[in-house]
Amino acid sequence: DAKTTQPPSMDCAEGRAANLPCNHSTISGNEYVYWYRQIHSQGPQYIIHGLKNNETNEMASLIITEDRKSSTLILPHATLRDTAVYYCIVRSPNTGFQKLVFGTGTRLLVSP
Amino acid sequence: SAVISQKPSRDICQRGTSLTIQCQVDSQVTMMFWYRQQPGQSLTLIATANQGSEATYESGFVIDKFPISRPNLTFSTLTVSNMSPEDSSIYLCSSELGAQNNEQFFGPGTRLTVL
Repeated sequence: DAKTTQPPSMDCAEGRAANLPCNHSTISGNEYVYWYRQIHSQGPQYIIHGLKNNETNEMASLIITEDRKSSTLILPHATLRDTAVYYCIVRSPNTGFQKLVFGTGTRLLVSP
Repeated sequence: SAVISQKPSRDICQRGTSLTIQCQVDSQVTMMFWYRQQPGQSLTLIATANQGSEATYESGFVIDKFPISRPNLTFSTLTVSNMSPEDSSIYLCSSELGAQNNEQFFGPGTRLTVL
């Protein structure tokens, strides 16, 4: 699975959009980009995933560049409860969508 | 979605002893996974547990140290054997509902402290 690079930490004001970047320059054509987050003292929680097209769900939007070498997770209106570590994970279908390899993630702090 | 529970939620153990962690899923699942999260670190996959077959361990993890059971499609256990302080971590189990379901669900974790 391709490796990802994320900034170690980011700050965001409550109510503003949080844009979390991820670099995955070695991603293969059939690898997906997944985002999970881990709120303190909880297990990781799935947020969103995508292959080529931009995706949106009730939690967030995922913007993937045309060359697929980077992506951005957008939390449109961050709240204090969005404070968490966010993990960008590239996942290969060759492993049957089973294995998750966690990097160091981005620690997002949402402040009042 | 799937709801996953773990027991115990936390424990403090003496070195040299063993602890068995239980993971219960509210749905029948093919694959269950065990992760370790050392203090201040990210998650590391220990092993994958299929029902009815031996667990598959990741590099650096061995069955003698982390024996796993998977007696049915909703339950698994992980034992941390002959513990040392270096085993102090959060241990998490997870599962997927199926190969076509891309979301992996995680339990709340078991916080283990070894003295």
